[in-house]
Amino acid sequence: NAGVMQNPRHLVRRRGQEARLRCSPMKGHSHVYWYRQLPEEGLKFMVYLQKENIIDESGMPKERFSAEFPKEGPSILRIQQVVRGDSAAYFCASSQFVPGASSYEQYFGPGTRLTVT
Amino acid sequence: GIQVEQSPPDLILQEGANSTLRCNFSDSVNNLQWFHQNPWGQLINLFYIPSGTKQNGRLSATTVATERYSLLYISSSQTTDSGVYFCAVERAGNQFYFGTGTSLTVIP
Repeated sequence: NAGVMQNPRHLVRRRGQEARLRCSPMKGHSHVYWYRQLPEEGLKFMVYLQKENIIDESGMPKERFSAEFPKEGPSILRIQQVVRGDSAAYFCASSQFVPGASSYEQYFGPGTRLTVT
Repeated sequence: GIQVEQSPPDLILQEGANSTLRCNFSDSVNNLQWFHQNPWGQLINLFYIPSGTKQNGRLSATTVATERYSLLYISSSQTTDSGVYFCAVERAGNQFYFGTGTSLTVIP
């Protein structure tokens, strides 16, 4: 799982600013997932993307949050007008498409710790 | 969504002791993974185990999919095993549902 890269590792933003979190999946992986972990809690699913497509965004807040996974470059999770409640660890995971498989093993990055002051 | 319950929530062990962590889930799943979140917050893949039994060194896991539970065994625990152990399940090929974790502290 060391192959999933996230940056920055730590991000401090003031209320009202924008936060941009980046995720580069493991080589050969075409699926990207974003999760959020609040202090002392488990991870909660936010969004699942394939190249240039959002497959499932059922866990994403309806406002201020967006995600993309362009044809070239990393996946980006963008949080506009951050508030203190957005402070959390944001993890990205990736998996490899296997034809005929019903599930795919997910590998996690080291996370980005966002602090909103 | 799927409910995932882990027990015990907290566990303190003397170095060298063995332990069993349990994960119950509320519906049939296609995937189950165990993770270790170390004190630095990194998630380490332990097992990809939708069914059956696997072993990796001092760790082993068993998933009984028909009865909707999985067990993680840690033998001869070491201080480096400390951290939070998460079970996560997936049903439809996309999102994981995570349990709330078991926080393990191994004391020397």
